[in-house]
Amino acid sequence: DAGVIQSPRHEVTEMGQEVTLRCKPISGHDYLFWYRQTMMRGLELLIYFNNNVPIDDSGMPEDRFSAKMPNASFSTLKIQPSEPRDSAVYFCASSPGPGSSYGYTFGSGTRLTVV
Amino acid sequence: QQQVKQSPQSLIVQKGGISIINCAYENTAFDYFPWYQQFPGKGPALLIAIRPDVSEKKEGRFTISFNKSAKQFSLHIMDSQPGDSATYFCAAPGDSSNTGKLIFGQGTTLQVKP
Repeated sequence: DAGVIQSPRHEVTEMGQEVTLRCKPISGHDYLFWYRQTMMRGLELLIYFNNNVPIDDSGMPEDRFSAKMPNASFSTLKIQPSEPRDSAVYFCASSPGPGSSYGYTFGSGTRLTVV
Repeated sequence: QQQVKQSPQSLIVQKGGISIINCAYENTAFDYFPWYQQFPGKGPALLIAIRPDVSEKKEGRFTISFNKSAKQFSLHIMDSQPGDSATYFCAAPGDSSNTGKLIFGQGTTLQVKP
């Protein structure tokens, strides 16, 4: 398996533009997580899905952020409109089952810079 | 909401020395407490995890010590090597329902000097 695949690896956009980040989880993994990493706040959980259904989106910073999982092999995180404070590395992770015993497999992340 | 506090923020150790990173959590949950290792430009990777009903788990040079009553756990890296230089994150279950939601500590940047 190729692991969790994220695209793009780097994204530079202007303030106010729409940004879409993409994730392909490991086949058979029923849980998908979106995290944001910054120096100030570390790794923050934004939202997670179980069997394509959003379970907890309490970490989504505001209405500018939205996430979807139309099928088991694809998820998107969209920011519209983007702001400079959204600059961070966004990680997608997947897990085969409930509970932290299964462990997460993280993708390599998307480094987003909003100028 | 689970809170996780990790210390120190950074650590410098000589090759062959012992690296110790500490973590404290607030809410009890019966689920595994993991440590993740992250190299520059990569996502975090699961290093080792411990069940909350055991006090210690060892895998090679890596050991987790778990103190349930104090709500603390630590990572010990024995015979530290330059290849261990990375950022380490502890994590705790985010809720009691074993959904797999993890809350991460702020991270510790470890540098092992040759």
